[in-house]
Amino acid sequence: DAKTTQPNSMESNEEEPVHLPCNHSTISGTDYIHWYRQLPSQGPEYVIHGLTSNVNNRMASLAIAEDRKSSTLILHRATLRDAAVYYCILRDLYQAGTALIFGKGTTLSVSS
Amino acid sequence: DSGVTQTPKHLITATGQRVTLRCSPRSGDLSVYWYQQSLDQGLQFLIQYYNGEERAKGNILERFSAQQFPDLHSELNLSSLELGDSALYFCASSVDWGISYEQYFGPGTRLTVT
Repeated sequence: DAKTTQPNSMESNEEEPVHLPCNHSTISGTDYIHWYRQLPSQGPEYVIHGLTSNVNNRMASLAIAEDRKSSTLILHRATLRDAAVYYCILRDLYQAGTALIFGKGTTLSVSS
Repeated sequence: DSGVTQTPKHLITATGQRVTLRCSPRSGDLSVYWYQQSLDQGLQFLIQYYNGEERAKGNILERFSAQQFPDLHSELNLSSLELGDSALYFCASSVDWGISYEQYFGPGTRLTVT
């Protein structure tokens, strides 16, 4: 399975943009890039996913490098509620199972 | 609220015992996943069911088993419990089994084995 590398932790201030990086240098052409986050004492929740083009939704934006070897999750205005562990996960279109394979993720702290 | 319910919320039991964790997926979701989260191993996939059939297995121990019933709820059975089985167990559901479908996670069951 292609692996991802994320910083262990990042800090942000409330109402500032946050850029969470993810490296995936061995990504294959059929790997989709998914982001999930886990708020304290909760189960993970879906954030966003994409293949090649940048993606936006109500929660965040996903910027994918042209060579697809890295991507960045962008939270446009961080709130205290965005403090969570963020997981960057590659999911192969043709993998036998469709489970999420979690790494260690990035712990985002948000200060007021 | 993700729409996925898990019971019980907390469970404390002794080594060697057997427990059953229950999961009700979101209405209409056919696929159910079980994950285990422990401090040393992080979040790990255990097993997936789709419309009553086992679809994929992850790092599930032989002492653990699961099933999905005709009403689509699922149960995870853990037997001969060991101290190392203490963890948070999450159930997730999705509409279908493809990777395009996001998974919705329940609040988890915290299992403590003493």
